[in-house]
Amino acid sequence: SYELTQPPSVSVSPGQAARITCSGDALPKRYAYWYQQKSGQAPVLVIYEDIKRPSGIPERFSGSSSGTMATLTISGAQVEDEADYYCYSTDSSANHWVFGGGTKLTVL
Amino acid sequence: QLQLQESGPGLVKPSETLSLTCTVSGGSISSSTYYWGWIRQPPGKGLEWLGSFYYGGSTYYNPSLKSRVTISVDTSKNQFSLKVSSVTAADTAVYYCAREPSGYSYGYGYSFHYMDVWGKGTTVTVSS
Repeated sequence: SYELTQPPSVSVSPGQAARITCSGDALPKRYAYWYQQKSGQAPVLVIYEDIKRPSGIPERFSGSSSGTMATLTISGAQVEDEADYYCYSTDSSANHWVFGGGTKLTVL
Repeated sequence: QLQLQESGPGLVKPSETLSLTCTVSGGSISSSTYYWGWIRQPPGKGLEWLGSFYYGGSTYYNPSLKSRVTISVDTSKNQFSLKVSSVTAADTAVYYCAREPSGYSYGYGYSFHYMDVWGKGTTVTVSS
């Protein structure tokens, strides 16, 4: 079955850039999506179609994709950005969708 | 404003069938623009896609669960449902329903959909 691989944790100081990666064999031809999940809450979409930002999401959130890796960048991370982040995409058949294992972002 | 609300029993016995309903308000599940889907999250673990459908089209299931999962729709009530059969403790999780905007990528040659509006989630525990 298809897998997306994320680092379990990323830690930065406030104001630093946080980069979270997601690797998958189908990503060269499939969009990546990113979700933020704070403790006890439902996930929130922060990036769609690799690079697009939904309305209401701060400009410090950006996405990129190259080859088999997609990256979520939070430029100037804030304490309120502490959360679990999940990438989401589909396999080569485009019929089966998967989440990455999630990355816990710590900002302190 | 679109809202989704999951409902169903919070406790299910092992080997029985888990049944949940998602009620959609502020929008129609008959829209051809959107898929609708189910996602779950076991305690302390990550998100798992269970399946998605669009009205009048196909339904797609997570292959690791396909034989046990069924998604159905009731347009008269603007609801869709999830059934998971033969449950075990491993099916204990928070279950979410979500709306999924869809489109087609001519560059990559595939149809995509992703969750943009989520319900608050409902906790289901499998225990005797």
